[in-house]
Amino acid sequence: GAVVSQHPSWVICKSGTSVKIECRSLDFQATTMFWYRQFPKQSLMLMATSNEGSKATYEQGVEKDKFLINHASLTLSTLTVTSAHPEDSSFYICSARDRWAFATNEKLFFGSGTQLSVL
Amino acid sequence: GENVEQHPSTLSVQEGDSAVIKCTYSDSASNYFPWYKQELGKRPQLIIDIRSNVGEKKDQRIAVTLNKTAKHFSLHITETQPEDSAVYFCAARLANTGNQFYFGTGTSLTVIP
Repeated sequence: GAVVSQHPSWVICKSGTSVKIECRSLDFQATTMFWYRQFPKQSLMLMATSNEGSKATYEQGVEKDKFLINHASLTLSTLTVTSAHPEDSSFYICSARDRWAFATNEKLFFGSGTQLSVL
Repeated sequence: GENVEQHPSTLSVQEGDSAVIKCTYSDSASNYFPWYKQELGKRPQLIIDIRSNVGEKKDQRIAVTLNKTAKHFSLHITETQPEDSAVYFCAARLANTGNQFYFGTGTSLTVIP
């Protein structure tokens, strides 16, 4: 149980284009999902908290117009990197908590990540 | 948000020895502290966690200790094996409406056979 699926796993795009990354909880409902960014050999940096049915909460320094988050259902959150530039190249990874697993709902489960390369 | 610091950034141990990784956090409102193991190019995997009302937790060769007063927690791996080699991250969950998780900077552990 508690599987988080993330697609695509790898994407290359031209500068100026937009890229959408999907994060799905396959066997549980997640009212909250988190999006992280990870540079090589560095930590997971929290970008934003995705809330089902409401606006995402962004961490300080993260451009909300650059990184659009939509959490339209209890099992799907999307991150769209708009007008991507080479400096946006990074590993993006989502995570989610099971809203109903009261004994374990604090546990965070991760997607497999998306490596974005902007040319 | 929360500020989590982690030390050391790299750690090499001989197979069979113990490894200890330490983390500190800044916000006393944090109440849950998981540890993740991440292999290259893969997703982080939860290996052990501890809640703020517990001082120590053990699971076979892995243990975690928490000192709430000092705001630090540690991961202990005993009888290390080569397959323990990976990057380990500590995290702290802020007990606010968002329950965000903030991660330490990571420790690259190498177990030398």
